[in-house]
Amino acid sequence: DSGVTQTPKHLITATGQRVTLRCSPRSGDLSVYWYQQSLDQGLQFLIQYYNGEERAKGNILERFSAQQFPDLHSELNLSSLELGDSALYFCASSPHVGGSYNEQFFGPGTRLTVL
Amino acid sequence: AQTVTQSQPEMSVQEAETVTLSCTYDTSESDYYLFWYKQPPSRQMILVIRQEAYKQQNATENRFSVNFQKAAKSFSLKISDSQLGDAAMYFCAYRSAENRDDKIIFGKGTRLHILP
Repeated sequence: DSGVTQTPKHLITATGQRVTLRCSPRSGDLSVYWYQQSLDQGLQFLIQYYNGEERAKGNILERFSAQQFPDLHSELNLSSLELGDSALYFCASSPHVGGSYNEQFFGPGTRLTVL
Repeated sequence: AQTVTQSQPEMSVQEAETVTLSCTYDTSESDYYLFWYKQPPSRQMILVIRQEAYKQQNATENRFSVNFQKAAKSFSLKISDSQLGDAAMYFCAYRSAENRDDKIIFGKGTRLHILP
């Protein structure tokens, strides 16, 4: 158990819908990351937040958005869902930013299926 | 942009034997970190081993060790005395030490089978 929690574990929805994935980082961790793992694209970095502020963006679609709240939990919002959005979405957290020992601890993931 | 390449989609090894997983990467940076992550059937991502590019000494963690060749941009993982619990997908990964972000760039993975 990494200490990072993600809800829900599984999500099945239809095309065109909107969903919210939730992540609670390890106690004390200020950085939160979102990654997408799909068969086509592999594991891809989506976005990073640090202490409530967006720090870096990766290959995140405009239909996707995220935020980190004052209590440091984060949500990833996916809208106008398409079949290709079906994937495993990981949240990770780390104590701070940068440095060799800023290890990212991964949550168990949310499996999203778009029908 | 940095890339990570794992040329072996699948490998098999007999239990108790040694296996080496290959990884090459491309970067113009001189300071970075390299990782091997394990993803068992549970899908949990687990950090196996970490290497700082400025360190010449190869990292080791119990039965896991790496062969880091900076000039060749090669970073292989050796698993000694393979165990059934080592069966998983293994990802080689890169993180810059020079960028503002901490994003990890992953390879496509190598699925490792352990034969009893």
